[in-house]
Amino acid sequence: GAVVSQHPSWVICKSGTSVKIECRSLDFQATTMFWYRQFPKQSLMLMATSNEGSKATYEQGVEKDKFLINHASLTLSTLTVTSAHPEDSSFYICSAEGTGTDTQYFGPGTRLTVL
Amino acid sequence: KNEVEQSPQNLTAQEGEFITINCSYSVGISALHWLQQHPGGGIVSLFMLSSGKKKHGRLIATINIQEKHSSLHITASHPRDSAVYICAVLHYGGSQGNLIFGKGTKLSVKP
Repeated sequence: GAVVSQHPSWVICKSGTSVKIECRSLDFQATTMFWYRQFPKQSLMLMATSNEGSKATYEQGVEKDKFLINHASLTLSTLTVTSAHPEDSSFYICSAEGTGTDTQYFGPGTRLTVL
Repeated sequence: KNEVEQSPQNLTAQEGEFITINCSYSVGISALHWLQQHPGGGIVSLFMLSSGKKKHGRLIATINIQEKHSSLHITASHPRDSAVYICAVLHYGGSQGNLIFGKGTKLSVKP
């Protein structure tokens, strides 16, 4: 079956630094990738939709200059949390949609802790 | 009222018991996902359904489009099934990929 990986699986960083999270579709091409965030004991919330070769579409309330998304190829999207602050500490999850399908495959998630 | 409601919120079972988790939704959908989230947070896709029933090992998922309801069943439950189970619907007519998530059902299976 389709596999989506995320790297790193967890990261701890100091306040003010930037952190990059990678999302890869390992055995299929994904025109569209989605980035979600989950705060403790809350449901997943869509942050942005990333289409290969174009600018990401951000959901209301998500700062595009803080959460930089790049989808440079059909198998890789990156989320960079810039100037991270403790309130950015969360679980970040990506999913990828196979080209020509509406099936989403979820990555295992990345836990970010900002000190 | 949330567009996706799961019940129960918490469920404790003894090993070997048959478990049912329910998901009701109020919007038109093109697909429904069942996800499993382990204590460390990792998400695993269990099923994607648009009609009928699917089975994978001890897991069975059903959906009734007319009643806007889906169930996830676990047969012969085991402590390793302990996790949060999340129902998510793909709302047709909504923005691309905008899954609407339920709040999850926390399952604990005791040995």
